[in-house]
Amino acid sequence: AQSVTQLGSHVSVSEGALVLLRCNYSSSVPPYLFWYVQYPNQGLQLLLKYTSAATLVKGINGFEAEFKKSETSFHLTKPSAHMSDAAEYFCAVRPPGNTPLVFGKGTRLSVIA
Amino acid sequence: GAGVSQSPSNKVTEKGKDVELRCDPISGHTALYWYRQSLGQGLEFLIYFQGNSAPDKSGLPSDRFSAERTGGSVSTLTIQRTQQEDSAVYLCASSLASGETSEQYFGPGTRLTVT
Repeated sequence: AQSVTQLGSHVSVSEGALVLLRCNYSSSVPPYLFWYVQYPNQGLQLLLKYTSAATLVKGINGFEAEFKKSETSFHLTKPSAHMSDAAEYFCAVRPPGNTPLVFGKGTRLSVIA
Repeated sequence: GAGVSQSPSNKVTEKGKDVELRCDPISGHTALYWYRQSLGQGLEFLIYFQGNSAPDKSGLPSDRFSAERTGGSVSTLTIQRTQQEDSAVYLCASSLASGETSEQYFGPGTRLTVT
């Protein structure tokens, strides 16, 4: 079965510092991978997705993620954190075929002024 | 255009009561998903509708949970004889198609509290 592991339920960074949110997946075949962001009291919004084209994927709000098959990872990064980036971030995997998303447990990002 | 809407936004109910949660997907979206978000547990898939096909109910946690989608649009998730462990945020999402890379658009959720 597919699964997603997000290392660190809570990450805290200073404003302007690098953001790194970790995601590892387990899959016997190359999956499709997604990062979603959830702001307080709102639904999830797609940040970016990997669909087997380029391994470095750029998303909204300056975020990007790199698919590394050898490490089964899809870590999310942003060079410089902004206060508005404070939110919950979810990594998700969708195996090939008509299947629902499988989400990680989420990482809450706090940005300190 | 309008996004996915859900109602009510908050629901408090007594243990043992039945509740109905409503989801209005984006117009024209053929796929509709229900997820449950519990504290510290991430998002758990519940059920998935695609067009007129039989729904994928593999994620429903018990037979107290059911869902229907009328006319290929609005969906209702029903929880019978609610239990305290049903307390969670219930999220609905829709997508234009069911392909692997189709983006799912999420509603704001319904926060269910069972007392």
